[in-house]
Amino acid sequence: GENVEQHPSTLSVQEGDSAVIKCTYSDSASNYFPWYKQELGKRPQLIIDIRSNVGEKKDQRIAVTLNKTAKHFSLHITETQPEDSAVYFCAAIGRRAQKLVFGQGTRLTINP
Amino acid sequence: DVKVTQSSRYLVKRTGEKVFLECVQDMDHENMFWYRQDPGLGLRLIYFSYDVKMKEKGDIPEGYSVSREKKERFSLILESASTNQTSMYLCASSLWDRRAEAFFGQGTRLTVV
Repeated sequence: GENVEQHPSTLSVQEGDSAVIKCTYSDSASNYFPWYKQELGKRPQLIIDIRSNVGEKKDQRIAVTLNKTAKHFSLHITETQPEDSAVYFCAAIGRRAQKLVFGQGTRLTINP
Repeated sequence: DVKVTQSSRYLVKRTGEKVFLECVQDMDHENMFWYRQDPGLGLRLIYFSYDVKMKEKGDIPEGYSVSREKKERFSLILESASTNQTSMYLCASSLWDRRAEAFFGQGTRLTVV
């Protein structure tokens, strides 16, 4: 089945700098890759996603890139702000259509 | 707004007890999921269901079972609770489309003593 690996597990950056979180997946049939943000004490919420027919997608300060050949995808946050502090999860839907598998999560801390 | 509601926010149970965690969604979603969240391990899929009475094992189904008798409700059952099942449990739902956003419940923090 699908396996998603996420790195790093923790990331600390200065406010205003960029943050990058990377994920790899195992199932070459996967074609949908969402990213979820979980603030402290809250439920995970979708922030951006990318489909396999697209190489990059941007939404204001957030961008996601996908390399299908290498089976990895990344989340990029530019001009980081304190409210970006949270745990971020990448995910993939593998060969089994409805099975949504998550990575281990990255705790991002933005230092003022 | 999609609403996914879990029956309890906090739960304390004794070892060996049978435990029921309930999840209800109000958006007619076909897919429902149960995950457990542990520090450093992310969100691990226990079971998922894509239709009433249909269920499939996730990555860590041992010690758990599920029930989906109605489309809006998905129950997670711990047949005989053990201390290693102490965790945060999250329910989620989504439309049938495999590229559909998943909406999460608020989570149930279960402690088994």
